[in-house]
Amino acid sequence: GEDVEQSLFLSVREGDSSVINCTYTDSSSTYLYWYKQEPGAGLQLLTYIFSNMDMKQDQRLTVLLNKKDKHLSLRIADTQTGDSAIYFCAEKNDSGAGSYQLTFGKGTKLSVIP
Amino acid sequence: KAGVTQTPRYLIKTRGQQVTLSCSPISGHRSVSWYQQTPGQGLQFLFEYFSETQRNKGNFPGRFSGRQFSNSRSEMNVSTLELGDSALYLCASSEGQTRNQPQHFGDGTRLSIL
Repeated sequence: GEDVEQSLFLSVREGDSSVINCTYTDSSSTYLYWYKQEPGAGLQLLTYIFSNMDMKQDQRLTVLLNKKDKHLSLRIADTQTGDSAIYFCAEKNDSGAGSYQLTFGKGTKLSVIP
Repeated sequence: KAGVTQTPRYLIKTRGQQVTLSCSPISGHRSVSWYQQTPGQGLQFLFEYFSETQRNKGNFPGRFSGRQFSNSRSEMNVSTLELGDSALYLCASSEGQTRNQPQHFGDGTRLSIL
């Protein structure tokens, strides 16, 4: 079955880079996503990558995908206190009949130390 | 464009009651998915609707149901509430036609069962 694993906590100093890692199991996953959740809020889509890509960069965010190892990472450059949040990795699974559902990891809580 | 809107933001109910949650998707989006978020189980897929039809359902009991209207707005209903139904219920919308369309989430409805 599908499963997505993430480490639960990460602490970095302001200005450093953060790297959040994720592993997934469904080799048929077509898209992989990173969402951010701040306290009391829903999920904010940060970025996503198609499975035939190795890397995607979007301003301070860099996503790396190792399809062979089923490993996904999100790098945040120049991490700011406003980046403190929970980050979720998710894979998109084909449920048939044109429907897709997301399977999420448990989330990584990023704490940025001023 | 306005984002995904969920109402109400907070609800308090007692065991045995029923509840209806509402979701208005982003304009033009025809797919609406619902997820339950709890500290123990994380984010779990409930169901997905597209053009008023349920296309996919997660592993939840029949007390959880939903529907979608012709304007793509969706409601989910939980009957005979149990303490374990306390959670953040998140709605997500996407254009829903092809697999490369990401899901955008609302801020959720926080349901507390007393």
